[in-house]
Amino acid sequence: GAVVSQHPSWVICKSGTSVKIECRSLDFQATTMFWYRQFPKQSLMLMATSNEGSKATYEQGVEKDKFLINHASLTLSTLTVTSAHPEDSSFYICSANWREDRPYNEQFFGPGTRLTVL
Amino acid sequence: AQTVTQSQPEMSVQEAETVTLSCTYDTSESDYYLFWYKQPPSRQMILVIRQEAYKQQNATENRFSVNFQKAAKSFSLKISDSQLGDAAMYFCASLDDKIIFGKGTRLHILP
Repeated sequence: GAVVSQHPSWVICKSGTSVKIECRSLDFQATTMFWYRQFPKQSLMLMATSNEGSKATYEQGVEKDKFLINHASLTLSTLTVTSAHPEDSSFYICSANWREDRPYNEQFFGPGTRLTVL
Repeated sequence: AQTVTQSQPEMSVQEAETVTLSCTYDTSESDYYLFWYKQPPSRQMILVIRQEAYKQQNATENRFSVNFQKAAKSFSLKISDSQLGDAAMYFCASLDDKIIFGKGTRLHILP
């Protein structure tokens, strides 16, 4: 149980285009989902926290107009990279948790999406 | 500010031997969780072990155990009887209202 999927697993796009990445909780309702970015050989950097039905909370330094997050249902969150540029190329990982209260006891991670912007 | 520090970028251990990965953290919360995650070449994050801060007893999961020193804010991971499949990046993480990861330690297993 507690499986999280991401789609696509790898996307290549041209500079200036927008790319949408989906994160789905397959067998549980995810009240909270997290989006991370991981550069090669570096750690995961939290980008934003999204709660179903409300606006995402972005970490300092993350452009909310650049990285649009939507959490419209309890099983789906999407990250849209708008007007992508080569510096946006990275590995994007989502995670999900089913508890609303603090602290969250565990997060379940998706397999990640590799974004390459030409 | 919530921080997690892993001071060992890389480590190597002989197969079947024991290795300890270091981690220190800082948080202003009294109620928090600590984790060790493994990231193999597939890049899928895998939970290795979890420790609730309010529990004094060190968590163990088969060959994996932690040394949790709350006062010192230290949370090291011990891997016993190292196996080739243990080779991966290991991330220490702290969770209060959000999860923060350390920079990771790449573990090599020498046959």
